[in-house]
Amino acid sequence: DAGITQSPRHKVTETGTPVTLRCHQTENHRYMYWYRQDPGHGLRLIHYSYGVKDTDKGEVSDGYSVSRSKTEDFLLTLESATSSQTSVYFCAISAPPYNEQFFGPGTRLTVL
Amino acid sequence: TQLLEQSPQFLSIQEGENLTVYCNSSSVFSSLQWYRQEPGEGPVLLVTVVTGGEVKKLKRLTFQFGDARKDSSLHITAAQTGDTGLYLCAGISPGGGADGLTFGKGTHLIIQP
Repeated sequence: DAGITQSPRHKVTETGTPVTLRCHQTENHRYMYWYRQDPGHGLRLIHYSYGVKDTDKGEVSDGYSVSRSKTEDFLLTLESATSSQTSVYFCAISAPPYNEQFFGPGTRLTVL
Repeated sequence: TQLLEQSPQFLSIQEGENLTVYCNSSSVFSSLQWYRQEPGEGPVLLVTVVTGGEVKKLKRLTFQFGDARKDSSLHITAAQTGDTGLYLCAGISPGGGADGLTFGKGTHLIIQP
């Protein structure tokens, strides 16, 4: 158990509303990631963080923002949710030297 | 963008049979990882292979990294229903940083009792 929790685990929201997903780790790892997983697309990186206040964009960052004010918390925000953002979102931490990923349990987000 | 192609996309076999799934790329990876994901859960790391030609065994699962470090295979001997899941491979490109992990789309494996 890598000590990663995500909240909420399930959320249904309406188009145009803001949504924030939270990832919390107890491992004190420097690197944290947000992915989305969709049928036919696999896991795609949204944003990642390499330290407090240090973040960068991934493959599918449009429409998403992140913040990391503490080592243990990494927040993903959808400023104005769209139906195309309906997905399962996973948070992960990584361990050196091979960037092995340890995933949280996921958040299933439905945007109506 | 480096791509990892996994095959087959879907595989359904009977308990007790053997199977092999593949992860292929035209690019070289400095290391490659295999994950298993069960419905409603996050992927779980199974193994990391680093050296070309490397073979690692995890009970009934055998992982091999190609000599040229462009491909990998996962062989399961005497499959059990508990092996059912989505198998993902992921690689790190040479010189890749924190964002350097590329995931394949996975093989959906169903083991029938």
